[in-house]
Amino acid sequence: GNSVTQMEGPVTLSEEAFLTINCTYTATGYPSLFWYVQYPGEGLQLLLKATKADDKGSNKGFEATYRKETTSFHLEKGSVQVSDSAVYFCALSDRVSQGNLIFGKGTKLSVKP
Amino acid sequence: DGGITQSPKYLFRKEGQNVTLSCEQNLNHDAMYWYRQDPGQGLRLIYYSQIVNDFQKGDIAEGYSVSREKKESFPLTVTSAQKNPTAFYLCASSTQSGGQETQYFGPGTRLLVL
Repeated sequence: GNSVTQMEGPVTLSEEAFLTINCTYTATGYPSLFWYVQYPGEGLQLLLKATKADDKGSNKGFEATYRKETTSFHLEKGSVQVSDSAVYFCALSDRVSQGNLIFGKGTKLSVKP
Repeated sequence: DGGITQSPKYLFRKEGQNVTLSCEQNLNHDAMYWYRQDPGQGLRLIYYSQIVNDFQKGDIAEGYSVSREKKESFPLTVTSAQKNPTAFYLCASSTQSGGQETQYFGPGTRLLVL
């Protein structure tokens, strides 16, 4: 079945450091891929998405490229800020799963000033 | 403003008691979802509904029930059969359930057992 694997945290970085959070997936069809962010005590917010191979999603300085050949969708940001501290979830959906999201376990990011 | 509201923010359940979590959306979305989040884990799907008066079980439906009598509302009942209900519950909605649509999430309800 479909699944998402993302790097385990927590990840601790200094402000202005480069961020990479790895995400790989297994899917039988052609999934759409998502990154969601969850701030403490809140629901999830869509950060970015990509719906086909080689698409790049971007938002708020974050980027991720849909790599079909490596079944990956790694999240990157060139210079993190303290306000980026949150839990980041990689997820996929496709027609096989009827559009239901399948999530990774989440990666907690802490950015220190 | 359009969005998804969940209430209450915190809910306490006594042993043997059923409790109902509210989820309302004014986004005119057809599909709605309920997820459970446990510490250190991703979200797991409880129930989903693609259209009014219809809903399907997700991966962990046992001990839960839902209804979808109105497009904008998708309440979740945690029954006494759910032996470990303490968790953070998230409701979401999307335009339809076809594969590419973005799901939008509410702020969540934290359920605690007394």
